[in-house]
Amino acid sequence: DVKVTQSSRYLVKRTGEKVFLECVQDMDHENMFWYRQDPGLGLRLIYFSYDVKMKEKGDIPEGYSVSREKKERFSLILESASTNQTSMYLCASRTGTNSPLHFGNGTRLTVT
Amino acid sequence: AQSVTQPDIHITVSEGASLELRCNYSYGATPYLFWYVQSPGQGLQLLLKYFSGDTLVQGIKGFEAEFKRSQSSFNLRKPSVHWSDAAEYFCAVGMFSGGYNKLIFGAGTRLAVHP
Repeated sequence: DVKVTQSSRYLVKRTGEKVFLECVQDMDHENMFWYRQDPGLGLRLIYFSYDVKMKEKGDIPEGYSVSREKKERFSLILESASTNQTSMYLCASRTGTNSPLHFGNGTRLTVT
Repeated sequence: AQSVTQPDIHITVSEGASLELRCNYSYGATPYLFWYVQSPGQGLQLLLKYFSGDTLVQGIKGFEAEFKRSQSSFNLRKPSVHWSDAAEYFCAVGMFSGGYNKLIFGAGTRLAVHP
């Protein structure tokens, strides 16, 4: 069974801090994604990666960056955290185009 | 613009009653369609998917969904709801947008089940 693991379930950070959210998948999936989930807005795509060292902006990339140095690992970086980045962050992976996404359990980030 | 709409934010049903969750999309081509469920504190789990062929698809946990091209809809149904079905449900549509195949999610429908 595919396992997508997000390193933290809950994080509390201060405004201006640099924040790293880590995600690892164990099924050799090519594609990886970072979503942000907010009530009433569903899931919004922040960044995605179709291959190692490749990254593409999603719909709401402002204030975020990503890193994919290894196929199994996709990191989301908040360069300078702000209170409006308080949210649930979900990582997902898939084998290829239009195959189903497999999600991690999410990281609930609070920025104070 | 390409979009996915779930018109119902909250739905409450009694245990044993039937359920239908609505999903409409706006997209010029035939999309790939998915329904996901999210239990509290968890990630999203795939319930079912439609790529092609029979427009009525069966999923896990007794759910089914029907693709209606003429209505641009992919509604989720279950004939008899169980208390454990209380969760949030997301419709998602695979579209080609901005040069890439993306999965666009609806805002979700939160289901409450009365005993």
